[in-house]
Amino acid sequence: KQEVTQIPAALSVPEGENLVLNCSFTDSAIYNLQWFRQDPGKGLTSLLLIQSSQREQTSGRLNASLDKSSGRSTLYIAASQPGDSATYLCAVRHTPGAGSYQLTFGKGTKLSVIP
Amino acid sequence: GAGVSQSPSNKVTEKGKDVELRCDPISGHTALYWYRQSLGQGLEFLIYFQGNSAPDKSGLPSDRFSAERTGGSVSTLTIQRTQQEDSAVYLCASSFAPGAHQPQHFGDGTRLSIL
Repeated sequence: KQEVTQIPAALSVPEGENLVLNCSFTDSAIYNLQWFRQDPGKGLTSLLLIQSSQREQTSGRLNASLDKSSGRSTLYIAASQPGDSATYLCAVRHTPGAGSYQLTFGKGTKLSVIP
Repeated sequence: GAGVSQSPSNKVTEKGKDVELRCDPISGHTALYWYRQSLGQGLEFLIYFQGNSAPDKSGLPSDRFSAERTGGSVSTLTIQRTQQEDSAVYLCASSFAPGAHQPQHFGDGTRLSIL
């Protein structure tokens, strides 16, 4: 059974710092990996999706990398801002087969950016 | 609509009552997913629809849970004889197609509280 782990569970940084969030998964037979942010009381907003054949994806100040063979992904946030404060979730989608369209989520990293 | 819409946003009910949760996916999205987010448990997959059929119901926790989708659009998740452990945020997501390249877009969820 696929398990997704995110470390750290919570992180507090001063505004302007660059930071890295970590995600690891136990079964490397994934189709893709998706990073989301969740604001309190809200749903999930998709940030980046990396296909299994890709090494990284970038969007603005965000950069996500994927090392499928070692079961790891990182989300890099440059020049953090208070508006980046949220919970960040990673999720993996399995290779085709029964139940392949579901996502398996980590429990998230709660980020606080201090002004 | 512009995004996935869920109703109600909050629901409080007594133990033993039945509840219905509604999800309106993004127009044109053929794939629809239900997830549950419990405190300390993270996000768990419940059921996946392609059109009106549900090829994957593997995440439904018991036979008290059922879901249907009509017209390839709106979906309803029904929980019968609610228990306190059913308290959670129920999230719906949709994607343009079930293919692995398609990101899932989430609604804001229904926060269900069982008294």
